[in-house]
Amino acid sequence: KQEVTQIPAALSVPEGENLVLNCSFTDSAIYNLQWFRQDPGKGLTSLLLIQSSQREQTSGRLNASLDKSSGRSTLYIAASQPGDSATYLCAVLIKAAGNKLTFGGGTRVLVKP
Amino acid sequence: NAGVTQTPKFQVLKTGQSMTLQCAQDMNHNSMYWYRQDPGMGLRLIYYSASEGTTDKGEVPNGYNVSRLNKREFSLRLESAAPSQTSVYFCASSQDRQETQYFGPGTRLLVL
Repeated sequence: KQEVTQIPAALSVPEGENLVLNCSFTDSAIYNLQWFRQDPGKGLTSLLLIQSSQREQTSGRLNASLDKSSGRSTLYIAASQPGDSATYLCAVLIKAAGNKLTFGGGTRVLVKP
Repeated sequence: NAGVTQTPKFQVLKTGQSMTLQCAQDMNHNSMYWYRQDPGMGLRLIYYSASEGTTDKGEVPNGYNVSRLNKREFSLRLESAAPSQTSVYFCASSQDRQETQYFGPGTRLLVL
C-alpha cells in the first residue's frame, strides 16, 4: 500500500527565508505527484503537478522536484511571505488501484513578519 | 468560473438521519471525486467517478452512496448518519484521472 509522509508536520520561518517542504512515498510506480495548498477552513488549491517522467516543475516562486527512484519530492518556496502561511499537502497518483490520489498528512507553515 | 461548488457549507445531523451532499463543476471535467478529511487521518477517497455514468469505491466507501447525475453533478448520500461520519467532505474534479484535481470549499458535517 502506498504511503505518503510529510516531515516536518509544522514549520515556522521568518519572512524572506526560503521554504523547503519534503514529501516521501513508498511506491515509485506513480503517474504524477501534486502539491496543494490549504488555508484554514478552506478547500485545497493545486500548486504544481509533476509527471512521473519529469524531474521538476516551476511556477513563479515555487519549484518542485521529483526523484522517483528515492521516493522523494521537495517543494521550494523562495523569499517566503506571510501570505504563504498555510498547510501544504503532497499527493501521489498511483498506478495500482484505479489511479487514486494518496495524500500526505501535510506540513503547516507559518511565515512570521 | 465558479469551479467546483458544494452545498451545504455546514450541516448538523442526528444519528440515523439521512442527507445528500451536492457537488457541481462547470469546467466540463470528466472525473469527479468525494473525499473526507479528518484530523490525523488526512484526506481519504470515499468514491470517485472516472466518467459520466460510472462510479467506483475509494478507500472508505462504507456508509455512503454516490450518484453521478450528469457530467456536471456528483452527489454523496449518507443513508443513516453515524457520529463516525463527522468530518469535512470535499468534492473534486479533474479533466481525466491523471490530471490536476480541483477542489470545492468543503462541507462541514457534524453528526450527534
